[in-house]
Amino acid sequence: SQQGEEDPQALSIQEGENATMNCSYKTSINNLQWYRQNSGRGLVHLILIRSNEREKHSGRLRVTLDTSKKSSSLLITASRAADTASYFCATGENTGFQKLVFGTGTRLLVSP
Amino acid sequence: DTEVTQTPKHLVMGMTNKKSLKCEQHMGHRAMYWYKQKAKKPPELMFVYSYEKLSINESVPSRFSPECPNSSLLNLHLHALQPEDSALYLCASSQVRGSVNEKLFFGSGTQLSVL
Repeated sequence: SQQGEEDPQALSIQEGENATMNCSYKTSINNLQWYRQNSGRGLVHLILIRSNEREKHSGRLRVTLDTSKKSSSLLITASRAADTASYFCATGENTGFQKLVFGTGTRLLVSP
Repeated sequence: DTEVTQTPKHLVMGMTNKKSLKCEQHMGHRAMYWYKQKAKKPPELMFVYSYEKLSINESVPSRFSPECPNSSLLNLHLHALQPEDSALYLCASSQVRGSVNEKLFFGSGTQLSVL
């Protein structure tokens, strides 16, 4: 299975602190994506990083990718209570279309 | 319009019932997906349609029957389900561009309970 492993499984922080989540995967990729899910509803795409990129920023999000270690991290800076959600990394096989497989996820709780 | 709309939001059905889940998008996406998600677990891919043709079936039991009647609609027909099939069913869509993985747009899901 290509499913990624994420750690930690759960993370609890205070507002204003930074949150870091890590993702490891097993096979070669052409990109890695991060998604957010609130309260078991639909997932929202956050950021996509291609295999030839090492770092990418989007607002308060910073994603890194180390293809030699088959790992990625998602950093949320200056967290807010509204960031409380589950975060999943997702990787795809090179099948010609989008067979994304999701990692195990990190549940983030940001307390006011 | 950047939405994927799923109906119904909640569904309770008995093991002998037949029901259908519906999904609609108007973004011109030519790939559509069904994912199943159990509580506190990641979404698991069930089916992928590309250009209205079934491209991936992840060994899903035949009591789940997908249908893609046109490029905007995706259905999942349910028959003789088991209680362990209770889960959140998520529909998604995306562009299809060669071998590059595109981002998925998800609906808000149907929470299914099988009694």
